[in-house]
Amino acid sequence: DAKTTQPNSMESNEEEPVHLPCNHSTISGTDYIHWYRQLPSQGPEYVIHGLTSNVNNRMASLAIAEDRKSSTLILHRATLRDAAVYYCILRDVAKAAGNKLTFGGGTRVLVKP
Amino acid sequence: GAGVSQSPSNKVTEKGKDVELRCDPISGHTALYWYRQSLGQGLEFLIYFQGNSAPDKSGLPSDRFSAERTGGSVSTLTIQRTQQEDSAVYLCASSPPGGGIKETQYFGPGTRLLVL
Repeated sequence: DAKTTQPNSMESNEEEPVHLPCNHSTISGTDYIHWYRQLPSQGPEYVIHGLTSNVNNRMASLAIAEDRKSSTLILHRATLRDAAVYYCILRDVAKAAGNKLTFGGGTRVLVKP
Repeated sequence: GAGVSQSPSNKVTEKGKDVELRCDPISGHTALYWYRQSLGQGLEFLIYFQGNSAPDKSGLPSDRFSAERTGGSVSTLTIQRTQQEDSAVYLCASSPPGGGIKETQYFGPGTRLLVL
């Protein structure tokens, strides 16, 4: 199964953008790139997902490299409520096992006021 | 609308006892997942139910763990003869019908289990 690599932690100042990188050099053509985040003492929550094209929603943007071997989650203006662990996850549409989420270590984001 | 709910929110038990953890998925969601989050182990998949299909039990760590889903809605995760290494937060998630793994999973707040 394709794996993802993320930095352990990142710091940001409030109201500044945050760029969270994810490497997935062994990604297959049927892998979707998903991002979830987990706020303190809560269950994970969906942030965004994409396949090849860049994606935007109300929470964030997802920039996917042309070769799909890396992606970047962008929080445009970090707030204190964005402090969380962010997980980059690959889900393979071609496999039944793709139904489950395989979490790595994620990136712990600290937002400073 | 109501999200995924889990009960109890906290459970303390003694080694060797059985425990039952409950999950109420979002109404109308056909898929239900159990995960657990241990210190130093991260989040790991346990079991997956989809409609009336046989569950995917590939993540259950031992035969002391079992789960059922009654009437396609509420699910119960049972741990028999609990061990200290079972201490973790047990998370339930559900996702709507429509098929495809692109479906978002909605997580509950979890049950924090402590085995003494």
